[in-house]
Amino acid sequence: AQSVTQPDIHITVSEGASLELRCNYSYGATPYLFWYVQSPGQGLQLLLKYFSGDTLVQGIKGFEAEFKRSQSSFNLRKPSVHWSDAAEYFCAVGKRSGGYQKVTFGTGTKLQVIP
Amino acid sequence: SQTIHQWPATLVQPVGSPLSLECTVEGTSNPNLYWYRQAAGRGLQLLFYSVGIGQISSEVPQNLSASRPQDRQFILSSKKLLLSDSGFYLCAWSRGGTGELFFGEGSRLTVL
Repeated sequence: AQSVTQPDIHITVSEGASLELRCNYSYGATPYLFWYVQSPGQGLQLLLKYFSGDTLVQGIKGFEAEFKRSQSSFNLRKPSVHWSDAAEYFCAVGKRSGGYQKVTFGTGTKLQVIP
Repeated sequence: SQTIHQWPATLVQPVGSPLSLECTVEGTSNPNLYWYRQAAGRGLQLLFYSVGIGQISSEVPQNLSASRPQDRQFILSSKKLLLSDSGFYLCAWSRGGTGELFFGEGSRLTVL
């Protein structure tokens, strides 16, 4: 069965500093990979996705992620964090099952940004 | 453009009472529909998904049920709520098998 591990529950960074959120997945074939962001009390918004091709994917809000098959990782990065990036971030892996995609989420990483 | 709406946004219910959460999608047809529950520190748990009207699949055994009476309407129900049903419920839709999910604003359920 597919699974996702986000080892960092909580991360604090200073505004303007770089950010990397870790994600490791377990899946038998080439996965579909996603990063979502959730502001408090809100639904989730897709930041970026990887289906195939270039292993470095660009997303919205200046985020990027790199798929590394050898490490089973899909880490999220941003060169300079803004205070508005404070939120919870979820990594997810997808697997086609019948007529739909079964998407499994990690437990999330809560990002705090300090001035 | 496509939109998804959930209601109510917040709900406080006594143990043993019924539940009905509604979700509607606009601007697309024949979407895949999902209900997720989010508990603190546990990520999102898929409860139900539907690939068409009247077609419901359950991922985990529980006190809840789902129905899809119309193409773009998805309802989460319970006949008798338990304390453990408290949580943040998210409805989502996707186009076919892309896996890219579009989420509603969520419904916060507190069972007392």
